[in-house]
Amino acid sequence: NAGVMQNPRHLVRRRGQEARLRCSPMKGHSHVYWYRQLPEEGLKFMVYLQKENIIDESGMPKERFSAEFPKEGPSILRIQQVVRGDSAAYFCASSPKYRDSEYYGYTFGSGTRLTVV
Amino acid sequence: DAKTTQPPSMDCAEGRAANLPCNHSTISGNEYVYWYRQIHSQGPQYIIHGLKNNETNEMASLIITEDRKSSTLILPHATLRDTAVYYCIVWGGGADGLTFGKGTHLIIQP
Repeated sequence: NAGVMQNPRHLVRRRGQEARLRCSPMKGHSHVYWYRQLPEEGLKFMVYLQKENIIDESGMPKERFSAEFPKEGPSILRIQQVVRGDSAAYFCASSPKYRDSEYYGYTFGSGTRLTVV
Repeated sequence: DAKTTQPPSMDCAEGRAANLPCNHSTISGNEYVYWYRQIHSQGPQYIIHGLKNNETNEMASLIITEDRKSSTLILPHATLRDTAVYYCIVWGGGADGLTFGKGTHLIIQP
């Protein structure tokens, strides 16, 4: 019964490169959430997705960031042309059907630590 | 626009009960109180949640006041591994999702 799987655990990118972060939700979970945690700060909501749909992206920066959750495969958070300020821990969480999620909250993955050099 | 207020840090002796307070005076009738914790460098971990009744599970107990304006998370026998940041969150299941504040950094002293 694997939990939420994120990979890679650590990712180093040079300024200007692209970063791709992957998240496989728990089995049976159809909702995915991405959060970012800057050093010494709290978790900030970025985006909420269901299969093939972005439900709420109010926390996503307007440029360079995108997310998808295709019908098959993991959810992907893509950061284009990374800058040093993108260095952070990115956490993915999943939950079951929308109406159930309020009872159990989310299950989080272990995160991807992105370092931009 | 935090919906909850928590002390920034607390200490507790190992083996004693850790009582973490949370104020949520503007909580709505359909909003639950959730507690998560984040041990250094790890993803947040669900602890417990409740609506208005007190709740207990294998990790902790949650005491919610009758007016629901505050709650207390109780770790009955704290261990060093309970050192973490504890987040109290109110959420009604809306698309805005779980909103994390600054939490309480609980330090268990040997």
